[in-house]
Amino acid sequence: AQSVSQHNHHVILSEAASLELGCNYSYGGTVNLFWYVQYPGQHLQLLLKYFSGDPLVKGIKGFEAEFIKSKFSFNLRKPSVQWSDTAEYFCAVNARRYSGGGADGLTFGKGTHLIIQP
Amino acid sequence: DARVTQTPRHKVTEMGQEVTMRCQPILGHNTVFWYRQTMMQGLELLAYFRNRAPLDDSGMPKDRFSAEMPDATLATLKIQPSEPRDSAVYFCASGLGTGGQPQHFGDGTRLSIL
Repeated sequence: AQSVSQHNHHVILSEAASLELGCNYSYGGTVNLFWYVQYPGQHLQLLLKYFSGDPLVKGIKGFEAEFIKSKFSFNLRKPSVQWSDTAEYFCAVNARRYSGGGADGLTFGKGTHLIIQP
Repeated sequence: DARVTQTPRHKVTEMGQEVTMRCQPILGHNTVFWYRQTMMQGLELLAYFRNRAPLDDSGMPKDRFSAEMPDATLATLKIQPSEPRDSAVYFCASGLGTGGQPQHFGDGTRLSIL
């Protein structure tokens, strides 16, 4: 079974600071990787995803993430954060199956609560 | 924008009562997921369906929880009898059947069992 570890449970930054949120996964096979964001009281929204190809993926709102296979990592970055980025961020993974195919349920990390101070 | 619709948004009920949560997936999506979010456990997969057939419900307590898809536009999650430890936000998500496609989440049902 796969597992996901997010190292920072709470992060507090000032506006314009750079952001990096760590995510490591544990799984022996090939995976699909996702970052979701949850604003207070709202549903989860997809920020970005990695399936294959370029390990540096760009998402919405200026976020990007880099897949480093050798480190089993998929860290989220943003060069300059804004107050509106205050939210909960979840890294998630599902196994990529070659036979049968199909989207599997996601395994989520515990989340990182990001607070941006004006 | 197509959305996953969940009802009710909030539910408060007493312990022992039956609770039914409903989800309307995005039209054309053939995979439906149920997740539960709590402070202690975070987001956990409870069950999921593909083409209305249950594929995995290993995350769901079998004695009191049941999940069904009566038709392609409706998924239900029932708890009977409910217990205070079931208090959580329950999210439904839908996606395409091809591997790795992102899941689209509904707004969730915030359930409080007194």
